[in-house]
Formats: sequence, structure tokens, C-alpha cells
Amino acid sequence: QVQLVESGGGVVQPGKSLRLSCAASGFTFSRSGMHWVRQTPDKGLEWVAVIYFDGIHKFYTDSVKGRFNISRDNSKNTLYLQMDSLRAEDTALYYCARDGGPGRRYDSTGFDLWGQGTPVTVSS
Amino acid sequence: DIQMTQSPSTLSASVGDRVTITCRASQSINKWLAWYQQKPGKAPTLLIYKASNLQSGVPSRFSGSGSGTEFTLTISSLQPDDFATYYCQQYNTYFRTFGQGTKVDIK
Repeated sequence: QVQLVESGGGVVQPGKSLRLSCAASGFTFSRSGMHWVRQTPDKGLEWVAVIYFDGIHKFYTDSVKGRFNISRDNSKNTLYLQMDSLRAEDTALYYCARDGGPGRRYDSTGFDLWGQGTPVTVSS
Repeated sequence: DIQMTQSPSTLSASVGDRVTITCRASQSINKWLAWYQQKPGKAPTLLIYKASNLQSGVPSRFSGSGSGTEFTLTISSLQPDDFATYYCQQYNTYFRTFGQGTKVDIK
């Protein structure tokens, strides 16, 4: 069926790294832009990063630039988020979400498919 | 950065009520706005895109309107399944900002 399944979350110390994965199935992954979105009780939903369908264009929210890297393997139908130099404020539930388009803003029809989320806790 | 402000933060309503949620952008976003519904312990689901386009499978009691900086989500007749938190999201820029959410609970 059409779904996204995240994995890789966990508890990690400040300054360490973690890699999240998002396995896609049931649709043509290589045609879709993909996003990471995180959620905390305090901040609500926060968009983190986008990668266009081709894997070339990537954009990040300011607070993760230089620390996080979004990537994809279209041959494996998998999205990744490499998170380095983690901080306590990165603690959140991380969702991957499909863009209803190839990733460009004005082609988007919203985030029409979401995973169940994977929790990340950054704590010493 | 474009800030998105929703009002109210919480809304108490009864089944059958007409409910309106407002979302304001700090600068014009044309019609590049989406609305999502989220229930406790679940991921958000898409309701509306490009301000007024109903996502496939979403009941017609949901509607969206607006352009520029002011947008509304309307539920014409609130149903028991609609008690949830609603978020707006702009995509006028690659930085896809969400509003802080509006919780619709039972009066």
C-alpha cells in the first residue's frame, strides 16, 4: 500500500550524530519531492528540509543548515536525514512527508502523505 | 521568514456547528497555503491545498478561502470525527512555515 515508514530515531548525546531513514512504497518515489518535518509540544510543527525529486535541489530551515543533510536513493525508494552536531533543541518527533509534486514550491499540492514519525531525543 | 499566525488557538464547538479558523501570513503568499488536520498520536493529514482546493477524499464540509495574507478554513457542520488540531502552512517560499495550530474541542 501507499505508505512512508520512518526509522532510525533514538536517544543520542549532544554533539553526536544520527541518521533517519524513510522507506517509501506504493507510489513512484522518484517523481515526488520529499520533506522532513519535526514536531514538539512547545513549537508545534516545524518544517526541516526538502529535497526535489531528482535529489539535486535541497533546502533547509536555518536552525539545521550546516548540521543536517537530506538525501535520497531513488533506486531504493528511501529518503534520509543525516543529523550531525545534535543539540537538545533538535529533540522532536521527526516525520517524513511526500510533496504532492516534484518538490518545487509552485508545483506543490501540499504534503499529501506522511509517515508515522520517529522520535529523536538529544540528551546527556 | 514568513510567519503564520492562526486564530483562535482553541475553539470549543458542538456537533453541527459551523466553524471558522483564520490564518494570517506576515507577508503576501498569494494562494500558496495548505491546511492540515492532526489527531492525537497521529500524523497530520492534508485537507486543503492552494488555499481552496479540497484534497481527494476529504469531506466537502471542509472548505478553504483567501489569498494574500488572510485565509480561512471552514467546517460547515462539525462532525464528531472533526475534533482535532488544525494547522495552516505556507509554501510561497521554500521555507514551508506552519501556523501554531488551532485545537477544536467539544463544548
